[in-house]
Amino acid sequence: AQSVSQHNHHVILSEAASLELGCNYSYGGTVNLFWYVQYPGQHLQLLLKYFSGDPLVKGIKGFEAEFIKSKFSFNLRKPSVQWSDTAEYFCAVNAPGGYNKLIFGAGTRLAVHP
Amino acid sequence: DAGVTQSPTHLIKTRGQHVTLRCSPISGHKSVSWYQQVLGQGPQFIFQYYEKEERGRGNFPDRFSARQFPNYSSELNVNALLLGDSALYLCASSRGGAGDNEQFFGPGTRLTVL
Repeated sequence: AQSVSQHNHHVILSEAASLELGCNYSYGGTVNLFWYVQYPGQHLQLLLKYFSGDPLVKGIKGFEAEFIKSKFSFNLRKPSVQWSDTAEYFCAVNAPGGYNKLIFGAGTRLAVHP
Repeated sequence: DAGVTQSPTHLIKTRGQHVTLRCSPISGHKSVSWYQQVLGQGPQFIFQYYEKEERGRGNFPDRFSARQFPNYSSELNVNALLLGDSALYLCASSRGGAGDNEQFFGPGTRLTVL
């Protein structure tokens, strides 16, 4: 069965620090990969997605993620975080074709201090 | 364009009651998916509907049911509520039914079962 693991449940950073959130998935075939963000009091929003092609994907607000197929990983990065990046981040995977079922990780709660 | 809308925003029920949650997709989207998000966890897939037919079902008991109407809006019904059904219920819509269609999430309905 498909599953997604996010290594860090809570991360605390100071502004301008670099961010890397880990995500590993378990699935034997081709996958689509996503990072969603949930800001306090807001709904889930898509940060970035990978379907195929260049494994380095750039998203909104300066975020990027790298798909490493051999490691079944899709880590999220940002070189310099801001206080406004405080949010919960979810990695998700689904299979292309078939039906549209997203499998989510447990999430990483990021707190950025000024 | 309006995003995905859900009603009600909050709901309090007692054990054994039933509940109906509603979702209106983005205009032009024909697929609606439902997810359950328990506190501290990532969303879990419950159902997907596409063109008014069930396309996929997650690992939830038969107390959970859903349907999609001709205007593509959807209802999620939960019978014989249990304390463990307390969660945020998310609706997501997408243009098509397959896994390479981006899902857009609504704000959710917070269900509390006492």
